[in-house]
Amino acid sequence: DVVLTQTPPTLSATIGQSVSISCRSSQSLLHSNGNTYLNWLLQRPGQPPQLLIYLVSRLESGVPNRFSGSGSGTDFTLKISGVEAEDLGVYYCVQSTHAPPWTFGGGTKLELK
Amino acid sequence: EVQLVESGGGLVQPGRSLKLSCAASGFTFSNYYMAWVRQAPKKGLEWVATISTSGSRTYYPDSVKGRFTISRDNAKSSLYLQMNSLKSEDTATYYCARLRNWDPDFWGPGTMVTVSS
Repeated sequence: DVVLTQTPPTLSATIGQSVSISCRSSQSLLHSNGNTYLNWLLQRPGQPPQLLIYLVSRLESGVPNRFSGSGSGTDFTLKISGVEAEDLGVYYCVQSTHAPPWTFGGGTKLELK
Repeated sequence: EVQLVESGGGLVQPGRSLKLSCAASGFTFSNYYMAWVRQAPKKGLEWVATISTSGSRTYYPDSVKGRFTISRDNAKSSLYLQMNSLKSEDTATYYCARLRNWDPDFWGPGTMVTVSS
């Protein structure tokens, strides 16, 4: 099974600061069809996860463009350009390329400094 | 508006059974694969089961295979998870999720299952 390793586990930021989260895969997430099924989710406190980014870098409808995704193969990054208070919560990467099983990263908690 | 609403959670003794439901609305349910994902208290996310659009194909991780059964009723726009032989490690919030091109793109608010004597 694919193992996704997220770093850092916790991230402290001030409002307006730009931050990045890393997600590394134990094997390439490039599918034979040419797509890379690596997504980013945000789980705000007490809420279910919501999809932010799919296919590495595509912004889900309604998600602010301060969120961006990049990467290829086994290394991926989520960047928030100017953290806002509503961005606080736990971020997860999830892969579907080698599903089943779908596998999730361990999560990165974004908190206020 | 897309909505997924889970129900059926609660407190259950080890070894007993429980059936979860997920009512879908706001989209053509029969066109989407669906999944269950769980989250133990203060822990990360774990995939539990997936079902194809017609229900003919199902997928499970080893941790629940043989104990959990995912099913659906497209006429009722409903998804189900039958959980048998429950263990304490099955204690979690269970989320119903829609799969778009194999990606979980929408999640319900979840239902809590506690397995304890």
